[in-house]
Parts: sequence; C-alpha cells; structure tokens
Amino acid sequence: DAGVTQSPTHLIKTRGQQVTLRCSPKSGHDTVSWYQQALGQGPQFIFQYYEEEERQRGNFPDRFSGHQFPNYSSELNVNALLLGDSALYLCASSTGTGKAWKTEAFFGQGTRLTVV
Amino acid sequence: GQNIDQPTEMTATEGAIVQINCTYQTSGFNGLFWYQQHAGEAPTFLSYNVLDGLEEKGRFSSFLSRSKGYSYLLLKELQMKDSASYLCAVVRGGSQGNLIFGKGTKLSVKP
Repeated sequence: DAGVTQSPTHLIKTRGQQVTLRCSPKSGHDTVSWYQQALGQGPQFIFQYYEEEERQRGNFPDRFSGHQFPNYSSELNVNALLLGDSALYLCASSTGTGKAWKTEAFFGQGTRLTVV
Repeated sequence: GQNIDQPTEMTATEGAIVQINCTYQTSGFNGLFWYQQHAGEAPTFLSYNVLDGLEEKGRFSSFLSRSKGYSYLLLKELQMKDSASYLCAVVRGGSQGNLIFGKGTKLSVKP
C-alpha cells in the first residue's frame, strides 16, 4: 500500500502565478482534505472533498480551489500566488465524511511551495 | 471560536517521562488526535481519544477530559528519536478530516 502520495514534493513559483498540487489517497479511502502548514505552525484546514464535491471549507480565500476525480484523487489549485502562500501543503485521506470517525486521517509527505 | 493551546517547546532527558498538555475550546467535538511530526515530514498518527480516560499504546499514552477541554500525551522511556513536534488536533463535530490543529509542541530529547 503506497499510502497517501503527493506531487510534486517541492515547487518554486513567482508571485502572481498559479499552481496545481496533486494528491492520491490511501487505497480504500474516498475523502481527501487539504491543509496548509506555515513554518512553525500547525496545519490549517483548507477544504475537504468527498464524492467529487467540496464538502467543507476553512477560512481561505477563493484563490484556493480544488477538485476530486472519480478515482478519489484530488488537486489543489492556488491562483494569483502571494508570498504568504509559501508553506507546506498537506493532503490527508480518510473514509466516509459524515460518518463516525473510525480511522485516523493519513497524511501525505506534503508539497513544499515557495513563492518568490 | 476555535482555540487549541499547547506549550511551544519542551525539553526532556533520554529515558525520562514527559507530559505534553493540550487545552481546547471548539464548536463541536468529535474526538482528539495526537500526531508526531519530524521536521520536514508529514504528521504521523499517535492516538485518538473520543471518550474520557486514558488510552495506552506502548510507550505513548493519551488522556482526555471532555468536561475540562483537556488532553495530554504521555511519552515514557524517552528516546532520542522522539525529538519532534507533537500536534494536538480536535475533530470538529459532524465531519471527518476536518481537524483543528494546535501550533504544536517541539520536544527536544537530550542525552
């Protein structure tokens, strides 16, 4: 089992550009959540996808958008990049939003985004 | 509002016991997680508490008091490899995957 995989591992972008990050969930998981982790901080919830729809969203601007595909993989898109978007972006997968929590969320290794 | 507090840094000696505290105030509660995160790596699951009491798993134990909004992670027989950040995260009511994290406690284990 490959676990949660994210790509790319590192990325450098220029202010104003757009970026797409990718996540493949752990086998058997159908729910993907994205988090932003700034240096020295805990992860902050961006949004969650289940059944190809955004189910919940944290306090992030519309520049942050996402998508989930029929195979449960997901993308995070960030438009009009700002310097403050530099962070580790983590993807977590789990099973069945709305149900009682029965399995821990598994995190991918993350994508380190640097905006210059 | 949502608020999760844990100490920023702690230092302990190899072989000793350390307790990392976490207090929370959240709208809705569906359990509390502890994760370990080494620098530059993803968080890895340590424990999950949803009912009051102590959960023991090897050298790691976690305690929860829902009435007090309080949890702790207890690490016994500390090893150098336990040097990492420890993240307390609350599951908001009614959903999975929507975790509210504290800022993490950086633990340094010294010989």
